[in-house]
Amino acid sequence: ILNVEQSPQSLHVQEGDSTNFTCSFPSSNFYALHWYRWETAKSPEALFVMTLNGDEKKKGRISATLNTKEGYSYLYIKGSQPEDSATYLCACNTDKLIFGTGTRLQVFP
Amino acid sequence: ETGVTQTPRHLVMGMTNKKSLKCEQHLGHNAMYWYKQSAKKPLELMFVYSLEERVENNSVPSRFSPECPNSSHLFLHLHTLQPEDSALYLCASSPVRSSDYGYTFGSGTRLTVV
Repeated sequence: ILNVEQSPQSLHVQEGDSTNFTCSFPSSNFYALHWYRWETAKSPEALFVMTLNGDEKKKGRISATLNTKEGYSYLYIKGSQPEDSATYLCACNTDKLIFGTGTRLQVFP
Repeated sequence: ETGVTQTPRHLVMGMTNKKSLKCEQHLGHNAMYWYKQSAKKPLELMFVYSLEERVENNSVPSRFSPECPNSSHLFLHLHTLQPEDSALYLCASSPVRSSDYGYTFGSGTRLTVV
C-alpha cells in the first residue's frame, strides 16, 4: 500500500510571509509526483508534475522541488497572498496516482 | 470552468434509489477517472478508463457501476447506497493514462445518502 504523507495538515500565515509544505512518499517504484491546488468550491488544479530526481519547477511565486531518492517533495510559496489560500495536494504515481490528505493554507491580510 | 463538467453538483438520495453521476470532457483526453473524497480522507481512486476501456477497479463495491460510452463521457451509476457512501465524487481526465500529465478535474458531485 502506497502512503503519501503531507505536513503540516494546516497552516495560517500573514500576507507577505513565505511558506513551504512537505510531501513524503515511498521512493520505490516511483514514477511521478504531482502537486495540485484546490480552492474551496472549485476543482483541484494541477500545479506541477515532476518525474526526475532533483527536478525543480516554478510558476510565479510558487515553486517545487523533488528528491526521489529520499522520497520527498517541497512546495514553496514566496510572499503569500490571500488568494493563495487553498488546500495543496500532492499525489504520487507508481502505477496509479495516490493522493495525500493535503495541507490547508490560510493567508490573512 | 476547467473543461471537465460534472452533473449534478449536489445529490441527495435514499438508500433504495438509483441515480447516476455524469462527467463530460471535450479536451480530447483519452483517460478518465472517478475519485471519491470522504471527510478528512485523501482522494481515493475508484475507477480508471483508458480509451473507453476500464483498466482499473480499485476494489469498489458493486453498488457503484461505472460506464464510459465514449471518450468524452463517463458515468457512475449508483444503487442501494449506504449512508457511509456520502462523499464528494470527483471526475478527472488526462491526455493519456500516464502520470506525466496533470489531471484535469471537475468540480465534483456532493452526494448525501439518507
